[in-house]
Amino acid sequence: NAGVTQTPKFQVLKTGQSMTLQCAQDMNHNSMYWYRQDPGMGLRLIYYSASEGTTDKGEVPNGYNVSRLNKREFSLRLESAAPSQTSVYFCASSEADRGGYGYTFGSGTRLTVV
Amino acid sequence: GNSVTQMEGPVTLSEEAFLTINCTYTATGYPSLFWYVQYPGEGLQLLLKATKADDKGSNKGFEATYRKETTSFHLEKGSVQVSDSAVYFCALRREGNNRLAFGKGNQVVVIP
Repeated sequence: NAGVTQTPKFQVLKTGQSMTLQCAQDMNHNSMYWYRQDPGMGLRLIYYSASEGTTDKGEVPNGYNVSRLNKREFSLRLESAAPSQTSVYFCASSEADRGGYGYTFGSGTRLTVV
Repeated sequence: GNSVTQMEGPVTLSEEAFLTINCTYTATGYPSLFWYVQYPGEGLQLLLKATKADDKGSNKGFEATYRKETTSFHLEKGSVQVSDSAVYFCALRREGNNRLAFGKGNQVVVIP
């Protein structure tokens, strides 16, 4: 019962460095999402992929790019990390892109940019 | 647009006390409503949901009833335990819309 797996769990980057956060789900879900969680801000959607081959911007896409590699995997890339991107990042997936279906979340990646 | 409002501030209460966390929403049509729980250092987990008016979602002693007349989905538990200490998020999802809208969350601290 792996569900949604995120790697790495922790990462420290220097300003200007790049990295890719990996996410994979084994539930055959169609939709996948990337969120960031900051104190007092709740969860904010960065990018999502309604189905394999499609991606769309969320609320806070600037400074990020995504790739839906296949149905299982959805990666988030920071091309030039900034301290403002220090956050906890969550990947999620959903069986269907309609009302009654909730999300399954990964356990998060805690990223610090110094 | 779709939005969820949760009561401000953390909630601190003693073990075996009654817990209520308020959640109200704004949405057109008939959204599905959810409560998620986040334990320290973990991701969010679905706690319960309701997909139509007057439905009651329940799980682990928690309950919430979908009240369309008051656009609310308040979370309740009759007797909390220390292990219920977590952050609780209310969320909605409209039919045909593939994104959940989350509230800002409420930190719940249960003291022995």
